[in-house]
Amino acid sequence: GNSVTQMEGPVTLSEEAFLTINCTYTATGYPSLFWYVQYPGEGLQLLLKATKADDKGSNKGFEATYRKETTSFHLEKGSVQVSDSAVYFCALTPRGGRRALTFGSGTRLQVQP
Amino acid sequence: DAGVTQSPTHLIKTRGQQVTLRCSPKSGHDTVSWYQQALGQGPQFIFQYYEEEERQRGNFPDRFSGHQFPNYSSELNVNALLLGDSALYLCASSLGDLNSIGELFFGEGSRLTVL
Repeated sequence: GNSVTQMEGPVTLSEEAFLTINCTYTATGYPSLFWYVQYPGEGLQLLLKATKADDKGSNKGFEATYRKETTSFHLEKGSVQVSDSAVYFCALTPRGGRRALTFGSGTRLQVQP
Repeated sequence: DAGVTQSPTHLIKTRGQQVTLRCSPKSGHDTVSWYQQALGQGPQFIFQYYEEEERQRGNFPDRFSGHQFPNYSSELNVNALLLGDSALYLCASSLGDLNSIGELFFGEGSRLTVL
């Protein structure tokens, strides 16, 4: 079956530090990959996505590259802000059709001023 | 433009009772999915509704059932509640076309506590 593995948190960084949150996946075929973010008191929001190998998704300074050879989709940001404090979820959906999302367990990011 | 709205936001039930959660999708969306998010975990897919039919189902028992109405809103029903059903229940809406696969818009959830 499909599965997503994320690094455990919390990840605590100082403002302007570099962020990496690791995500690896197991799936048949070539799934679409996503990062969702859950800010305190808010619903899950799509942060970025990539639908095929070597695609790079980007949004709000965050980036992630679809690496088929390593089955990975690591989230990176060059300089985090306090406002980036949230829980980040990596997710996948199989290609084709209205498929359900399979989520990782989430990684909490805490950015200190 | 209203996003996904869910009700109630919080509720407390006792074991063996039944609960109904409601969801209105984002305007223009025709597909509704339900997820269960246990504390400290990622959301787990329960089922998805499109054109008033259940299109896909996750690994949840028959105690979990749903419905979609002609206006695309949806209900999640859980019968014979167990302590382990305590969780945040998330509704997500999307367009049922291939170009938007996986781009779900989530509500803030209904927090169910079973005592």
